[in-house]
Amino acid sequence: DAGVTQSPTHLIKTRGQQVTLRCSPKSGHDTVSWYQQALGQGPQFIFQYYEEEERQRGNFPDRFSGHQFPNYSSELNVNALLLGDSALYLCASSGPEGLNEQFFGPGTRLTVL
Amino acid sequence: QKEVEQDPGPLSVPEGAIVSLNCTYSNSAFQYFMWYRQYSRKGPELLMYTYSSGNKEDGRFTAQVDKSSKYISLFIRDSQPSDSATYLCAPIGPYGQNFVFGPGTRLSVLP
Repeated sequence: DAGVTQSPTHLIKTRGQQVTLRCSPKSGHDTVSWYQQALGQGPQFIFQYYEEEERQRGNFPDRFSGHQFPNYSSELNVNALLLGDSALYLCASSGPEGLNEQFFGPGTRLTVL
Repeated sequence: QKEVEQDPGPLSVPEGAIVSLNCTYSNSAFQYFMWYRQYSRKGPELLMYTYSSGNKEDGRFTAQVDKSSKYISLFIRDSQPSDSATYLCAPIGPYGQNFVFGPGTRLSVLP
C-alpha cells in the first residue's frame, strides 16, 4: 500500500514565478491537508481539502491556493513567489476513520531565488 | 503567547536514558494531542495520540496530558540512537480543526 506521495521532490524557482505541487493521498483517504515547514520550525497549516472543497484554511495569503480532484489527489499552487516561500511543503492525508490520524508525505523542498 | 510551545533543544542524552519531551498549549478547545517524529529530510510520522488527560503507553513511549495545566509530555524509555529525530507535538480541536504544530524538540541519542 503506497503511502502519501508528493511530487516533485525538489524545486527551484525565482521570485515572482508560480509553482504547482502535487500530492496523492494514502489509499482509502479522502481528506488532504497542506503544510509549510520552514527550516527549524514546525509545520504551519495552509489548508485542508475534502470533497473537492477547501474546508479549513490557515493564516496564509490568497497567493496560496489549492485544488482537490475526484480521485482525492490534490495540488497546491503558489503565485508571485517570495523568498520567504522557500520551505518544505508537506501534504498529509486522513480518512473517514479519523481526521486525527494524518499521514504525511516526504514533502517537496521549494527554493525561491 | 504562541498557541503551542516546545523547547527547541537540541537535547542530547546517552543511549538507554529516559527522555522527557514537553509541550504547552494555550487554546482550551484542543481535545486531541498528537506526537509526531520527524527524521531529517523526511515528513513527520505519527507516534501516538491521546484524547483525555492521563497517560497512554505504547511500547517504549508514554504520552501524558494534563488539560488543567495545558501541558503535554512524551516520555521515551531505554532511548536508542534511532530515536534521534525532531519530536513535534500537535494538539487539535474536537473535529480535526485548528491543527497546530509546535516548533519541535530536536533529540540526539548518543551511542
